This record gives sequence, structure tokens and C-alpha cells, in this order.
Amino acid sequence: GAVVSQHPSRVICKSGTSVKIECRSLDFQATTMFWYRQFPKQSLMLMATSNEGSKATYEQGVEKDKFLINHASLTLSTLTVTSAHPEDSSFYICSALREVAKNIQYFGAGTRLSVL
Amino acid sequence: QKEVEQNSGPLSVPEGAIASLNCTYSDRGSQSFFWYRQYSGKSPELIMSIYSNGDKEDGRFTAQLNKASQYVSLLIRDSQPSDSATYLCAVNPSGGYNKLIFGAGTRLAVHP
Repeated sequence: GAVVSQHPSRVICKSGTSVKIECRSLDFQATTMFWYRQFPKQSLMLMATSNEGSKATYEQGVEKDKFLINHASLTLSTLTVTSAHPEDSSFYICSALREVAKNIQYFGAGTRLSVL
Repeated sequence: QKEVEQNSGPLSVPEGAIASLNCTYSDRGSQSFFWYRQYSGKSPELIMSIYSNGDKEDGRFTAQLNKASQYVSLLIRDSQPSDSATYLCAVNPSGGYNKLIFGAGTRLAVHP
């Protein structure tokens, strides 16, 4: 299967700081990546679609100024949680769309964010 | 609201038995369907994809799709304790631009 790397795997930060999460497709080019959030015992909720070279498309209810997404190359998308607060603590997971493989999404390992 | 429904479980089966996981979806125009497995604290990994009506088999796994009934299922034969995980059904809705809508997941427990 395709390899998607996500970094860091875990981050603990103080309230009010910003945290950047990186998502890389290691063995294929991905014009489209997705960012999800998962709270304990809940399913994945799509936050936004990241498009290489253009603005991200955010799902309803997701604050674009709080969750900054940059997709500057065909293998890298970043999510920055700005001015993080305890309620932002969650498991953030990215995926990369492999178009040549019938548009299957391959997931990174996830980032567990804890905001104190 | 485009929804994907799954029984949350837990579904408990003995080792060696067949586990049957079910999923229904509301968007009749959906075209692509996926089953992901998620171990606790980990990210989802793809088990099966299915695009047309009928059965698709891959090793111990069989996905079944019935678009008329808006129903997709996953059968796991010869269940093993290592299969114990949460199984997520995901659907690409019509006009969804490759987005996936996930069900809440079914927790499977395979006991020796």
C-alpha cells in the first residue's frame, strides 16, 4: 500500500500556542489531501480538503482562520492549529488521495494533540 | 444530510467464526464504498474497496454491496483475535469530490 507520513505523532502544548502538523505522501504525488479530527469513541470527522496550489475547502463549522492548511507541494500538506485551546485536544489524522488507485485515501498515523 | 449508519457493537465472535459487519447509507447516488480497520489509538487502514453490486473477496474478507438497498457489508471468515478492532464503513457521496463520509464504526471482539 501507499505510504503517508504524519508528524509529529504526539504533541503537548500550552493554551494559546500554535501547533503545526505535517502530512507527507512518500511514494506518490497527491494533489488532494484531507484532514480529519477524531474525538474519543467517535468516528472521523472531515475538517477540510487540501488542494495543491490552491486554497483548502473547509467543512461547515470548521474555522478556517483557526485551522490553517497549506498544500505547497504535491507531497506535503500542513495543518496549523492556531491559538490552541483545551477543546482543540483531539486526534488529528491526514489522508492522501491516490488518484491512480481508484481514488483511495491512504491515512497517516495521526497526531494526538493535548492542549493544557 | 448524507449519513452512514453502523451498529456500534461490540460484536463478539469466537475465534474461527465468521464476523458480519453491516453498513447502510442514505445517499443513493454514492459510487464508492470502503471498509477501514482502526485499532485503538491508531489511524484507519484500508481493508476493502467496492464499487459495483455483488461480492468482492480478498483473502478472509468479503465485501458485499447492494446499491438498491443502500447496504454494504463486510464478512470476515476464520476470525482471529488480531481482527479485534473497530471497523469503519466509508462512503464517497455523489458530488463528493472524493470526500469520504464515515460511519461511527463497529467494534469487533474476537475471543479465543
